[in-house]
Amino acid sequence: DTGVSQDPRHKITKRGQNVTFRCDPISEHNRLYWYRQTLGQGPEFLTYFQNEAQLEKSRLLSDRFSAERPKGSFSTLEIQRTEQGDSAMYLCASSSNRGFRRETQYFGPGTRLLVL
Amino acid sequence: GQNIDQPTEMTATEGAIVQINCTYQTSGFNGLFWYQQHAGEAPTFLSYNVLDGLEEKGRFSSFLSRSKGYSYLLLKELQMKDSASYLCAVRVQTGANNLFFGTGTRLTVIP
Repeated sequence: DTGVSQDPRHKITKRGQNVTFRCDPISEHNRLYWYRQTLGQGPEFLTYFQNEAQLEKSRLLSDRFSAERPKGSFSTLEIQRTEQGDSAMYLCASSSNRGFRRETQYFGPGTRLLVL
Repeated sequence: GQNIDQPTEMTATEGAIVQINCTYQTSGFNGLFWYQQHAGEAPTFLSYNVLDGLEEKGRFSSFLSRSKGYSYLLLKELQMKDSASYLCAVRVQTGANNLFFGTGTRLTVIP
């Protein structure tokens, strides 16, 4: 069990640029979540995948955001035409619907985005 | 909607006991989680309660009262490394089973 990994850990970009983040969940986990966290706040839910299907999206996820999980393993989160308000920590979490501690979400280290 | 309240900051002394409270108002309650988050790092799972009562795990215990919409996290024998934010999160009964987090309680342990 190598845990959830995310890449990159830090990203600085200029307003208007596109950015893409990657998440590799725990290998046997079929559920994957993206959250966004700003300073002094708890994480806020963005979107959820079960296997390769994106089953739920928050109202926070504007049209500039898109997420994929093409083979039911890793996932990507893309932000187009970034804005300064997109600056945040983007967290990925995964869980399994089977076994001990099923449905417990385990978080990756996050990608910290700064939009200048 | 979902509403989760916890104190913003707490300070406690090394070796002492501290209790961090969390109250919630949610629809479709399906479990309560506590996570620890050190500055700049990811949340780390601490405990899970879905039934009323106390769950004990080493120096950490978590309590839930569903009828009161109340939980607490109890930390015993505090260590300096326990200085972190403690996030209370409620899971709701939706297709995603996603978590709704409070703003977190920043605990500072002093010598």
